[in-house]
Amino acid sequence: GAVVSQHPSRVICKSGTSVKIECRSLDFQATTMFWYRQFPKQSLMLMATSNEGSKATYEQGVEKDKFLINHASLTLSTLTVTSAHPEDSSFYICSAELGTGGYEQYFGPGTRLTVT
Amino acid sequence: GESVGLHLPTLSVQEGDNSIINCAYSNSASDYFIWYKQESGKGPQFIIDIRSNMDKRQGQRVTVLLNKTVKHLSLQIAATQPGDSAVYFCAENTGPGGDKLIFGTGTRLQVFP
Repeated sequence: GAVVSQHPSRVICKSGTSVKIECRSLDFQATTMFWYRQFPKQSLMLMATSNEGSKATYEQGVEKDKFLINHASLTLSTLTVTSAHPEDSSFYICSAELGTGGYEQYFGPGTRLTVT
Repeated sequence: GESVGLHLPTLSVQEGDNSIINCAYSNSASDYFIWYKQESGKGPQFIIDIRSNMDKRQGQRVTVLLNKTVKHLSLQIAATQPGDSAVYFCAENTGPGGDKLIFGTGTRLQVFP
């Protein structure tokens, strides 16, 4: 149980285009999902907290207009990287919280974004 | 932009030996801690967790120790196997009412035969 999927696993896009990444909790409902970014050989950095039915909460330094988050259902959150640039190339990972305030987060397999 | 890659601390152990991976956490108010294993190109995988009212917790081949006095967390892996090779991250929850996880810098574990 507690499986989280991401789609796509890899995406290459041209500079200036937008890319949408989906995060799904497959066998549980997740009121809260999280989006992380990870550069090579570095740790995960939290970008934003996504709450079903409300606006996402972004971490300091993360542009909300560039990284659009939508959490329209209890099993799906999407991250859209708008007007992508090469510096947005990274590994994007989502997680879903099992239960409310239970602190247990289950991670997706990640999406490798390359902007050319 | 993308930062210059940092060199992760690396722990090299021989197969069959025990491994100890250490982590210093930052927030004295953190009340929940987790160890994750991340293999190349994959998302983090839960290993074991511990709450702040405990100082030790054991799982299958793994033990987590928590020292709140010095804000230190360790992961012990018994009889390390080649499949244990990965990057290990500790993460702390920032306290009651907050579900955010703050990840440590990570340690690369290399197991050699």
